[in-house]
Amino acid sequence: GQNIDQPTEMTATEGAIVQINCTYQTSGFNGLFWYQQHAGEAPTFLSYNVLDGLEEKGRFSSFLSRSKGYSYLLLKELQMKDSASYLCAVRDSVDNAGNMLTFGGGTRLMVKP
Amino acid sequence: DTGVSQDPRHKITKRGQNVTFRCDPISEHNRLYWYRQTLGQGPEFLTYFQNEAQLEKSRLLSDRFSAERPKGSFSTLEIQRTEQGDSAMYLCASSLRDRGLWDYGYTFGSGTRLTVV
Repeated sequence: GQNIDQPTEMTATEGAIVQINCTYQTSGFNGLFWYQQHAGEAPTFLSYNVLDGLEEKGRFSSFLSRSKGYSYLLLKELQMKDSASYLCAVRDSVDNAGNMLTFGGGTRLMVKP
Repeated sequence: DTGVSQDPRHKITKRGQNVTFRCDPISEHNRLYWYRQTLGQGPEFLTYFQNEAQLEKSRLLSDRFSAERPKGSFSTLEIQRTEQGDSAMYLCASSLRDRGLWDYGYTFGSGTRLTVV
C-alpha cells in the first residue's frame, strides 16, 4: 500500500527557517511533489524532486533521499503569508497506468510575528 | 487560459439528493483527475481520465459516484443519493502528457465544497 507521513502542525517565527519532513512507503516511485494550500483554496505547486539531492527555488528548497524514502521542504526567511498547509505527494507511475499522486495528510504551518 | 475552473464553488444539499459538479480543465491538457479532500486531510484520488477515457477509479468511488468526460474536454462528477459522509471539497486537476510520455504535473482548480445536511 501507499503510506506518506508528515507532521500535522508546526509553528515558526517570522523571519526564521522551518523544515517540514515527509517520509513515504509506496509501491513505486516516480517523483515527489510539494504543494502549498491556503485555507479554502486549491493546492499550488511548489517543487518536484525525482533524483536525490536538493532543489532550490528562491526561499523554498526541497530535498529527496530515495533510499531512505525521505524528503523535506525548507522554507527560509518566513513571512506571515507562508502560513498554510504543505502537502507532500508521491507519483508512483510513469506509464499508461496514470499519473496519480498519493498525498500525505498535510502539515499546517503557523507563522507567528 | 484562466486555469482549471470548477463550478459551483459551494453546494449545500439535503441528504438523499443528487448533485453534479463540473470541471473545465486547461484547454491543452489531456489528463483530468478528481480528488476529494476532507478538513485537515490531504486530497484522496477518486478517478482519472486521459482524453475521454476513464482509465482509473479508486475504490473510494462507490456506485453512487459517476464521472464523465465527453469529448475529452470538460468533466462532470455526479453523486447520487448523497450522504452526510460525502461532505468534502471536491478538487479537479488537469495535466498534459506529451508524446514523449512526460507529464508536467497537476494544475488544481479551486474546488467545489459540498455540504450534505
